[in-house]
Amino acid sequence: GAVVSQHPSWVICKSGTSVKIECRSLDFQATTMFWYRQFPKQSLMLMATSNEGSKATYEQGVEKDKFLINHASLTLSTLTVTSAHPEDSSFYICSGKLNYGYTFGSGTRLTVV
Amino acid sequence: GEDVEQSLFLSVREGDSSVINCTYTDSSSTYLYWYKQEPGAGLQLLTYIFSNMDMKQDQRLTVLLNKKDKHLSLRIADTQTGDSAIYFCAEGGYQKVTFGIGTKLQVIP
Repeated sequence: GAVVSQHPSWVICKSGTSVKIECRSLDFQATTMFWYRQFPKQSLMLMATSNEGSKATYEQGVEKDKFLINHASLTLSTLTVTSAHPEDSSFYICSGKLNYGYTFGSGTRLTVV
Repeated sequence: GEDVEQSLFLSVREGDSSVINCTYTDSSSTYLYWYKQEPGAGLQLLTYIFSNMDMKQDQRLTVLLNKKDKHLSLRIADTQTGDSAIYFCAEGGYQKVTFGIGTKLQVIP
């Protein structure tokens, strides 16, 4: 079936540095990719929707200059957390839209120290 | 690797009960989740169950977990048209969560 490979699965970084999270669609073309974050014991929150070859659409309250999304090809979308702070520590997960449903990456646990 | 499977589509009449089923493969899962996605919206956590529980009830929602068979179900009593959405089953723990592909629930008035 359709698989989204997300890397890294976990990362620890220092405050002020940037972290890139990659999501690759392995056997399908992901025209649309969704990026979510989840705080402990809370729902996944949609951060942005990215479409291949165009600018991402960010949800209200999500800083587009802080969470840079690039979807330059049909098989790769990236989320870069710039100048990370401890409050950015969270679980980030991507999801690719299929014709018949959605497929999710395995998530990235980001800890900023 | 870990896998979560669920059927793609379910149609029920308003007022009936809906049962959405899910099977998973990772026996070490700590939590099992049900999420709801309405058209154009993000995922909403409906409920979750710890892996050491058999059942959890929350108003119209009942979650049953058969750990031996790695089977999870979500029952919605008195299904309403507002329940029409896609429902995702997910399993995992702190580091990783694996989602099913989503079951589209259609409620017929």
